[in-house]
Amino acid sequence: DAGVIQSPRHEVTEMGQEVTLRCKPISGHNSLFWYRQTMMRGLELLIYFNNNVPIDDSGMPEDRFSAKMPNASFSTLKIQPSEPRDSAVYFCASSLGDRGQGYTFGSGTRLTVV
Amino acid sequence: GENVEQHPSTLSVQEGDSAVIKCTYSDSASNYFPWYKQELGKRPQLIIDIRSNVGEKKDQRIAVTLNKTAKHFSLHITETQPEDSAVYFCAASETSYDKVIFGPGTSLSVIP
Repeated sequence: DAGVIQSPRHEVTEMGQEVTLRCKPISGHNSLFWYRQTMMRGLELLIYFNNNVPIDDSGMPEDRFSAKMPNASFSTLKIQPSEPRDSAVYFCASSLGDRGQGYTFGSGTRLTVV
Repeated sequence: GENVEQHPSTLSVQEGDSAVIKCTYSDSASNYFPWYKQELGKRPQLIIDIRSNVGEKKDQRIAVTLNKTAKHFSLHITETQPEDSAVYFCAASETSYDKVIFGPGTSLSVIP
């Protein structure tokens, strides 16, 4: 398996623009998580899905952030409009039910909003 | 909600010495405690985990201990090597597939 695949790896955009981050979880994994990592705030959980259904989005910072999981093999995190304070590394992770294997993280998307 | 604290924030040890990182958590419903290692510019990777029905778990040079009564858990690395240098995150969750709340991280430097 290729692991959790995120795209793009790097994104530089201007303030006010829409940004879409993409994630393909490991095949067969039924839980998917979006985290944001910054020096100041560490690893923050934004939202997670179980069997494609959003379970907890309490970490989504503002209405500018939205996430979808239209099927078991794809999820998006969208920021509209983007702001400089959204600059961070965004990680997607997936896990396999209760098999106790923990999370597998993707390589992350480094977002810079200028 | 769950809150995970971690100490120290930075740790420097000589190669061959041991390193200990300590964490506390707040939610008594947490039953799963993974540890992740993140090298510079890389993704966090699971290195070991422990569940609440176990007090200690060991994997080669790495061991974790859990005191559920006190809501403490620790990571022990023996015979440290330069490649152990990284940021280590403790975390807590109700189950292995539930949302995981991470501690702030410990930056470990192993000096050759």
